[in-house]
Amino acid sequence: NAGVTQTPKFQVLKTGQSMTLQCAQDMNHNSMYWYRQDPGMGLRLIYYSASEGTTDKGEVPNGYNVSRLNKREFSLRLESAAPSQTSVYFCASSDLDRVAEQYFGPGTRLTVT
Amino acid sequence: SQKIEQNSEALNIQEGKTATLTCNYTNYSPAYLQWYRQDPGRGPVFLLLIRENEKEKRKERLKVTFDTTLKQSLFHITASQPADSATYLCALDSYSGNTPLVFGKGTRLSVIA
Repeated sequence: NAGVTQTPKFQVLKTGQSMTLQCAQDMNHNSMYWYRQDPGMGLRLIYYSASEGTTDKGEVPNGYNVSRLNKREFSLRLESAAPSQTSVYFCASSDLDRVAEQYFGPGTRLTVT
Repeated sequence: SQKIEQNSEALNIQEGKTATLTCNYTNYSPAYLQWYRQDPGRGPVFLLLIRENEKEKRKERLKVTFDTTLKQSLFHITASQPADSATYLCALDSYSGNTPLVFGKGTRLSVIA
């Protein structure tokens, strides 16, 4: 089992460009999450999907959109990147919405210039 | 306001000693609390979950306590080794609001040989 995979690992964008971060899990988990991690700020939830077909905003959703493509895949889109979106992005999945532990991917390091 | 605080950004400890990390929270009533380990350049990895009705949980050299009166969790690593050097994150169930799991900023532990 690969667990949670993310692509790409690194990305540099210019301000105003768009991109989609891809995430897939092979553990048959119902819930999937997108976080960003910034120095001194910890992990902050951007969006999550409690089950296939549903998505909900987290703490910092502005400037992002998500798509739960199927049970395995959950993508994060930046429509018009801004320097404030420079961060490390982690995708995670869990078996249940609240109680179960989360399994994280390796992260995508995004720089917006 | 709601806060989750880990006692220090960094903790240095001699090999063989017990490392104790603290997680305090304010204005939350979590049903459970989790601890994760994060190595540089990698995603967090789940270690332990403790529920509000459990005082203590152990796994090999790890021990977690949860005191809902003090609103505090302690994370202990006994007989610490240099390989235990990492950042440790606590996370709690927010129960309400738009973030299922709220993470602390982490404590960076360095075990010195």
